[in-house]
Amino acid sequence: QVQLQESGPGLVKPSETLALTCTVSGGSISSSGYYWGWIRQPPGKGLEWIGNIYYSGNTYYYPSLKNRVTISVDTSKNQLSLKLSSVTAADTAVYYCARHKYEPGSQPYYFDFWGQGTLVTVSS
Amino acid sequence: DIVMTQSPDSLAVSLGERATINCKSSQSVLYSSDNKNYLAWYQQKPGQPPKLLIYWASTRESGVPDRFSGSGSGTDFTLTISSLQAEDVAVYHCQQYYSPPYTFGQGTKLEI
Repeated sequence: QVQLQESGPGLVKPSETLALTCTVSGGSISSSGYYWGWIRQPPGKGLEWIGNIYYSGNTYYYPSLKNRVTISVDTSKNQLSLKLSSVTAADTAVYYCARHKYEPGSQPYYFDFWGQGTLVTVSS
Repeated sequence: DIVMTQSPDSLAVSLGERATINCKSSQSVLYSSDNKNYLAWYQQKPGQPPKLLIYWASTRESGVPDRFSGSGSGTDFTLTISSLQAEDVAVYHCQQYYSPPYTFGQGTKLEI
């Protein structure tokens, strides 16, 4: 069964760049049937999709974050990464990586496996 | 963006009773080309990530108990738990995948 594990700093200073990595095990990130995504959840609030990536490098980003977000994939390490620049307190959240079901020729569908999430706090 | 609105925000149901959670989308998520509703439901227990329960509005994910069911079409959807168990206490989220950005409802907290 596929497993996803997020890692990265739990504290980031305002105006700096948040950087997280998600390591995928039990399956290949190069599988044709999946995109890989990042979703966040501010404390006590709902879920917000950030963006996703296919192993080929094709990406979708949430428009309101697009200018600050970069998602990349390293197929040799079976990892995906998230970078979010110029962070503020509003970016404080639990960040999840998730597998995004996909059928070639279509668009990504639902998220069928999630990592445990990592809390990132933006504070000086 | 497609806005997803869930109701109620919180719900208290007795053990063994039926729980019903609603989700409304700001535009239809029914794709005419395949006649599928691009909607999923997730369960999130405290301190845990969301878990996929239902996709295509009514298809249960493998391993999900059959007391969970999804219904609806177009813009109005319902998640029903037919006989509430103690382990069903959680926050439930709906999500549309009709078009990016993929958006979620605000969540419904289910308590006993």
